[in-house]
Amino acid sequence: EVQLVESGGGLVQPGGSLRLSCTASGFTVSSNYMSWVRQAPGKGLEWVSVIYSGGSTYYADSVKGRFTISRDNSKNTLYLQMNSLRAEDTAVYYCASKYWYDGMDVWGQGTTVTVSS
Amino acid sequence: SYELTQSLSVSVALGQTARITCGGNNIGSKNVHWYQQKPGQAPVLVIYRDSNRPSGIPERFSGSNSGNTATLTITRAQAGDEADYYCQVWDSNTAVFGGGTKLTVL
Repeated sequence: EVQLVESGGGLVQPGGSLRLSCTASGFTVSSNYMSWVRQAPGKGLEWVSVIYSGGSTYYADSVKGRFTISRDNSKNTLYLQMNSLRAEDTAVYYCASKYWYDGMDVWGQGTTVTVSS
Repeated sequence: SYELTQSLSVSVALGQTARITCGGNNIGSKNVHWYQQKPGQAPVLVIYRDSNRPSGIPERFSGSNSGNTATLTITRAQAGDEADYYCQVWDSNTAVFGGGTKLTVL
């Protein structure tokens, strides 16, 4: 079964750091592009970052310089290192991938990040 | 940066046709993807590349894209179609989502 499972969310103080993980099963994380998408409480979807199969990475302006996307092919896992966290980073974070169809056709269940003192 | 505009809400009577639009500058030149999200759940891809349905998505879902508007059409709307719908494109290696449209089935 093709699946993504996120972990690593939690409560963190402003200015703190957190690393999210997204483990894939049924396909390899390096086979196509993988993204992080977040959703603040009661708000819409906001794209955060992407890593392509070749390793190129891109970020939303709102997180550039603070977040880093990476992957470990040996663990078949995608990561999002989040530094200098702000209250406005509070959201459910989803990892998503292009697996078979164009677009993001595989999504994880999401992990919640709360930035608060 | 590229922007996508969606109506906040659309209402449709049970069994009728709902049309959800997504506006963007020359969006017809881009590939548009549509996602359905129900409360407490992850998004689900319902239309990819303007008008294609992934396996498992009912034929009642269709899409079109031309000029400055992309449209998701849901025929014979059912109670289970009630959800938030988001359009999405790629622009210069960044993914852009519309603000989302809440579909209410009356």
